[in-house]
Amino acid sequence: NAGVTQTPKFQVLKTGQSMTLQCAQDMNHEYMSWYRQDPGMGLRLIHYSVGAGITDQGEVPNGYNVSRSTTEDFPLRLLSAAPSQTSVYFCASSTQGSYNEQFFGPGTRLTVL
Amino acid sequence: GQQVMQIPQYQHVQEGEDFTTYCNSSTTLSNIQWYKQRPGGHPVFLIQLVKSGEVKKQKRLTFQFGEAKKNSSLHITATQTTDVGTYFCAGRSGAGSYQLTFGKGTKLSVIP
Repeated sequence: NAGVTQTPKFQVLKTGQSMTLQCAQDMNHEYMSWYRQDPGMGLRLIHYSVGAGITDQGEVPNGYNVSRSTTEDFPLRLLSAAPSQTSVYFCASSTQGSYNEQFFGPGTRLTVL
Repeated sequence: GQQVMQIPQYQHVQEGEDFTTYCNSSTTLSNIQWYKQRPGGHPVFLIQLVKSGEVKKQKRLTFQFGEAKKNSSLHITATQTTDVGTYFCAGRSGAGSYQLTFGKGTKLSVIP
């Protein structure tokens, strides 16, 4: 099993550009989530999904969209990138929501100029 | 909303010394999880605590969940250089909540 994979590993955007961060898991996990990690801020939940076709907002959803058309994939879309979205983005998956351990992907380091 | 506070933010210890990080929640938690993130890496699950007063051990690591289920601690005995990293607690409140709230983490440095 590859576990949780994320692409790209690094990305530089200009303000106003849009892009999609990809996340995929091959463990048949129902629950997937996106976090951003900023220095000294820990991990903050952006959006999450409890199954295909079901998504919900987390703590910091503004400026981001998600969809979950399959169990395996959970892409995160930045609609119009802003410098405040410069961060490291982690995707995570688990069975039974947050009752069980979260498996994290390797992360995407995004810089918005 | 739910807040999870973690102290200290940084800890520098001499190799062989003990280390403790503390986690406090503004609300009662259903469960609490601990993760370790090595420099440049991603968070890796260490353990989950569910019961009031629960204590779990993993070799030199001891995890505790408070009686009121609002606080938790991670204690490492005789630190080693392999313990270097940031330790996060993450709590979930409410039986119907799917959201984990992470503390800001404690960054541990071990001086050989």
